[in-house]
Amino acid sequence: EAGVTQFPSHSVIEKGQTVTLRCDPISGHDNLYWYRRVMGKEIKFLLHFVKESKQDESGMPNNRFLAERTGGTYSTLKVQPAELEDSGVYFCASSQGVLASGRGETQYFGPGTRLLVL
Amino acid sequence: ELKVEQNPLFLSMQEGKNYTIYCNYSTTSDRLYWYRQDPGKSLESLFVLLSNGAVKQEGRLMASLDTKARLSTLHITAAVHDLSATYFCAVAPVMYTGTASKLTFGTGTRLQVTL
Repeated sequence: EAGVTQFPSHSVIEKGQTVTLRCDPISGHDNLYWYRRVMGKEIKFLLHFVKESKQDESGMPNNRFLAERTGGTYSTLKVQPAELEDSGVYFCASSQGVLASGRGETQYFGPGTRLLVL
Repeated sequence: ELKVEQNPLFLSMQEGKNYTIYCNYSTTSDRLYWYRQDPGKSLESLFVLLSNGAVKQEGRLMASLDTKARLSTLHITAAVHDLSATYFCAVAPVMYTGTASKLTFGTGTRLQVTL
């Protein structure tokens, strides 16, 4: 079974440019999450999709961040325009969303996209 | 606001020794997770603790949960070099829909096991 994949693995852009991150969840997982870890800080929640709907976007820092999950499969996170403080590692995670078993509740993480804004 | 505190932040230990990582959280939570991260890699799920008194063991790692004290521990027995990694605890409430929701992470404990 393929895990959560993210693209690109690294991105270096200049302040003011636009970057789009992609996440492909595990097949069949309705729940998709975006998290971010800024250097030296905790991993912070950004938002949560259930299928194609945004369930919780309380962690999105501002309106420069736009997340989509068209068709309920892969998701994109666009940062436009990027600022220096957006640098960090962006993780995507997915879960089945059914609390029928311990394994069903686990969020499975992708390898992350390392974003550096210069 | 839910807060999760993890300590120590950094742990250097010799092979063969035992040690415990602590995870305290500030409000009632339904799920406690432990993850491991190797440098530059993804977070790997280790344990999901679902109820008070839950204890799970995998190899040299054992995790426990005390919901009354709002405390989880990750105990390492007879450490080996392969256990060197960063360990995160995370908590999550259960939504009214019955699905799990966002994780709130601790700061992580960077474990270094030396010979």
